[in-house]
Amino acid sequence: EIVLTQSPATLSLSPGERATLSCRASQSVNSYVAWYQQKPGQPPKLLIYDAFNRATGIPARFSGGGSGTDFTLTISSLEPEDFAVYYCQHRSNWLSITFGHGTRLEIK
Amino acid sequence: EVQLVESGGGLVQPGGSLRLSCAASGFPFSSFSMTWVRQAPGKGLEWVSAITGSGGSTYYADSVKGRFTISRDNSKSTLFLQMNSLGVEDTALYYCAKAAAAAGLNAFDSWGQGTLVTVSS
Repeated sequence: EIVLTQSPATLSLSPGERATLSCRASQSVNSYVAWYQQKPGQPPKLLIYDAFNRATGIPARFSGGGSGTDFTLTISSLEPEDFAVYYCQHRSNWLSITFGHGTRLEIK
Repeated sequence: EVQLVESGGGLVQPGGSLRLSCAASGFPFSSFSMTWVRQAPGKGLEWVSAITGSGGSTYYADSVKGRFTISRDNSKSTLFLQMNSLGVEDTALYYCAKAAAAAGLNAFDSWGQGTLVTVSS
């Protein structure tokens, strides 16, 4: 079973700063990695799919990258509405789906 | 506009059963794979099960395999999750979600608000 480890668990930054969130897989994986944003009381929102493709309507300040075991979500300049919990997700070739435990992005 | 509305959650005793439903609208339901994802109170996301558009293929997390059954009625645009032998560890908010058009089951681009399942004696 592939385990996704997200780091840091909590990231404290100020609006306007750059955020880099990490998702590390326990073994080399395909690029079927997605990133979601979740705010309190709301369902998750898809940001990035297949490692680097932005979902419909997602601002350009969100970007995804990586390959193999290391994937990243970058927010180039934080807006107040970006403070939330972020999850990475992977779909294996035998269709097992795994989520990371999340990174909480909080206002410094 | 895509809408997904879950129902069927509630309080059930350990060992009991529940059937969740997810009513879909705003997209050609039979053309999209669907999934169930759960979130225990204050915890992260856990994938539960997925089903292809035709219903011909189903997939399960190890934690629910043999206890849960996913199905769909394309004539009614409704997704189901039959949950048997429930344990306290199944207590969670259960979301249904639609596979992204450009990504298949790699990602999920529309989510319902969830239905809460509480397993307790």
